[in-house]
Amino acid sequence: DAGVTQTPRHEVAEKGQTIILKCEPVSGHNDLFWYRQTKIQGLELLSYFRSKSLMEDGGAFKDRFKAEMLNSSFSTLKIQPTEPKDSAVYLCASSLTIQDTQYFGPGTRLLVL
Amino acid sequence: GDSVTQTEGLVTVTEGLPVKLNCTYQTTYLTIAFFWYVQYLNEAPQVLLKSSTDNKRTEHQGFHATLHKSSSSFHLQKSSAQLSDSALYYCALSGTGNYKYVFGAGTRLKVIA
Repeated sequence: DAGVTQTPRHEVAEKGQTIILKCEPVSGHNDLFWYRQTKIQGLELLSYFRSKSLMEDGGAFKDRFKAEMLNSSFSTLKIQPTEPKDSAVYLCASSLTIQDTQYFGPGTRLLVL
Repeated sequence: GDSVTQTEGLVTVTEGLPVKLNCTYQTTYLTIAFFWYVQYLNEAPQVLLKSSTDNKRTEHQGFHATLHKSSSSFHLQKSSAQLSDSALYYCALSGTGNYKYVFGAGTRLKVIA
């Protein structure tokens, strides 16, 4: 079975640009998560979808971060406009249900100049 | 609200000696699952252990953990650390009813020769 895939693996953006990160969850999984990972803050939840419904929108990340689940097998995370402090690794994960193991994609490393 | 506490940011241990990574939690929900994830350098987090049964020891890859609801703990232990165990370890819990998945801040394990 294919795992979680994320594209692109690396992204360099200028401050103020709009970038879109993509994620394909494990087939058959109902839950999808977007995280931001930095050395200082660790894993921060950005969004959580359950059966394509947005359950958690990450509070403080609402204003410039928007995740969408276009169908059960594809999700995007839009950052608009980007800021240098957004430089981090963005991880997508999926699970069968909320109580099951999360399977993580390889992540997108974003650098905002 | 729900929370997971990993008290040590960095644990350094000599190869061959035992290691223990602490994890305590707070939750108001009865139906909960606990996880340990491991993240090796430049890789995505992956599950190491999972448990939802009180006082039952769970083992995988030489690591073990026992959920103790009486003390709200799910510590990770290994009797003999290996150089290859050097990684970032996350403790996490998930609870039904509130659809929450909470990660701790992470503990970096460094095994030295």
